[in-house]
Amino acid sequence: QSALTQPASVSGSPGQSITISCTGTSSDVGGYNYVSWYQQHPGKAPKLMIYDVSDRPSGVSNRFSGSKSGNTASLTISGLQAEDEADYYCSSYTSSSTLYVFGIGTKVTVL
Amino acid sequence: EVQLLESGGGLVQPGGSLRLSCAASGFTFSNYAMSWVRQAPGKGLEWVSDISGSGSSTYYTDSVKGRFTISRDNSKNTLFLQMNSLRAEDTAVYYCAKTGYYDSSGYNHFDHWGQGTLVTVSS
Repeated sequence: QSALTQPASVSGSPGQSITISCTGTSSDVGGYNYVSWYQQHPGKAPKLMIYDVSDRPSGVSNRFSGSKSGNTASLTISGLQAEDEADYYCSSYTSSSTLYVFGIGTKVTVL
Repeated sequence: EVQLLESGGGLVQPGGSLRLSCAASGFTFSNYAMSWVRQAPGKGLEWVSDISGSGSSTYYTDSVKGRFTISRDNSKNTLFLQMNSLRAEDTAVYYCAKTGYYDSSGYNHFDHWGQGTLVTVSS
């Protein structure tokens, strides 16, 4: 099972919106609505930001939103803030022998 | 408040064994599947293993099948990962993660994570 494809880095200025893509196959992202997104600051544990493609856990800012089209899921961060600078990982259920698959990760830089 | 506290990491020689533990609190432990996720130094997240709430069903990524064993003690709210025949490529921070939906392996997400424990496999 290969990792889901994400851009290595995305950057934006404060207040701008950025979108991170996550591309898989019909066996994972495209076949199921169990895509989730995690934020990880250096040296810290991952934090759930989006689950089931577009649902947001309680306490997560509504500046974070998720969507999916075909085999590609996306995380959009609007009104970019300095605290959003972190690594972001997508994840999906997969029908392959591996139960879950993660993306390679995207480093978000706030300029 | 959900809390997950891993322990048991350390330095081990190639071919050696290690047992990780994850003490859980703040939720009904037996109601939720639990997973181990690892992160090699400077690398991304990799799902390792999952166990159902009752412990009756287990799942592993291909690279650890036959070497790692996941288990749980619901009476002590503790998750375990027994790691045998360790290799250099197993070096990573190991996180335990709670799934979000009631007793569902796979069709799920990870809503709480521990702080991780570092496993280093080196001679």
